[in-house]
Amino acid sequence: SQTIHQWPATLVQPVGSPLSLECTVEGTSNPNLYWYRQAAGRGLQLLFYSVGIGQISSEVPQNLSASRPQDRQFILSSKKLLLSDSGFYLCAWSNTGQEAEKLFFGSGTQLSVL
Amino acid sequence: GQNIDQPTEMTATEGAIVQINCTYQTSGFNGLFWYQQHAGEAPTFLSYNVLDGLEEKGRFSSFLSRSKGYSYLLLKELQMKDSASYLCAVGGSSASKIIFGSGTRLSIRP
Repeated sequence: SQTIHQWPATLVQPVGSPLSLECTVEGTSNPNLYWYRQAAGRGLQLLFYSVGIGQISSEVPQNLSASRPQDRQFILSSKKLLLSDSGFYLCAWSNTGQEAEKLFFGSGTQLSVL
Repeated sequence: GQNIDQPTEMTATEGAIVQINCTYQTSGFNGLFWYQQHAGEAPTFLSYNVLDGLEEKGRFSSFLSRSKGYSYLLLKELQMKDSASYLCAVGGSSASKIIFGSGTRLSIRP
């Protein structure tokens, strides 16, 4: 069966510090991978998605970046965090297909930038 | 551009029926999803529509009209545990790009 791991669960970082959130998927190959951010009480904002190794689509201009060094690994990074980067970060995967496929989410990372 | 609209909040009574609407305008369409999200948790998949019509799954049903850019999620026999946010999401310009609405926070009262 497929599983998705995302860590850490919570993170408190000072403004200007770097960030690295990691997500790995097991039990499937060549998945679509996603990073979403959710502000408190709001919907999910698509940040990045990837359809293959080294392929990253960025949806929102920001000081965040994403990388996919391996087929089932997706990393969200920042060199210098801003206060506005606080939020609930969710990694997700889906099967590839000609139609949209349902997303399977990780348990999320609550990031507080102080 | 892409736009997905749904009501911010709704309230319903235990045992009743509630309908949560979603309208969308996207460049391309590759399916519509409904997810449930309890506070502090990740969303979980509820339903998927790619063709017009009604999909029924237990107490939950989802309807799609592609010509109207409209969907609804129908919840029957409401239970207190149904108190959650319900997120409408659309596969847009590519099958891989899935965009979410802001979510509808549903409160169930006894």
